[in-house]
Amino acid sequence: QKEVEQNSGPLSVPEGAIASLNCTYSDRGSQSFFWYRQYSGKSPELIMSIYSNGDKEDGRFTAQLNKASQYVSLLIRDSQPSDSATYLCAVISDSNYQLIWGAGTKLIIKP
Amino acid sequence: DAGITQSPRHKVTETGTPVTLRCHQTENHRYMYWYRQDPGHGLRLIHYSYGVKDTDKGEVSDGYSVSRSKTEDFLLTLESATSSQTSVYFCAISESPDSQETQYFGPGTRLLVL
Repeated sequence: QKEVEQNSGPLSVPEGAIASLNCTYSDRGSQSFFWYRQYSGKSPELIMSIYSNGDKEDGRFTAQLNKASQYVSLLIRDSQPSDSATYLCAVISDSNYQLIWGAGTKLIIKP
Repeated sequence: DAGITQSPRHKVTETGTPVTLRCHQTENHRYMYWYRQDPGHGLRLIHYSYGVKDTDKGEVSDGYSVSRSKTEDFLLTLESATSSQTSVYFCAISESPDSQETQYFGPGTRLLVL
């Protein structure tokens, strides 16, 4: 069964520091990777997508992908209290184009 | 939210009763999905639709049925609700199943089955 694994946390990071969130996946054929943010009681919202090995930067967010190691990460620079949320990693299965979801990592930014 | 509404937003029902949740979109997207989200499990796909009257099962489809008679509406029915179906239900939409096409989510429905 294809899986996406994340540490459930909570991950506690001081305000202004870098938060590092990690995700591993089992399907070597996966080509598309997404990070969603979910505030408590709200729906998931897309914050980053990455399709190629290496880094992709968007403002304070950087997604990193290493297909050989089947590993994708999300870095949040200059963390703010408003970044406190659960971060969901999702991977598209190449066999049926369905999103496979990790259970999420809860991030807490301490002022 | 990308023009997606869900109704009801909250529902309490009793075991054995039928329940229907509605998802409505104004984006004219072809693909619609129903997920459930439970602590420790993340999002799990229940059913999805790739067009009017075209639906298929996801990984946790037992006890659920769906219907799509119009592009904009996707209904999820619990034929006889059980306590294990207490969950938060999210509808999502996407333009295509292309590997680089993301999904956009509705606000969710919190369902409690007593």
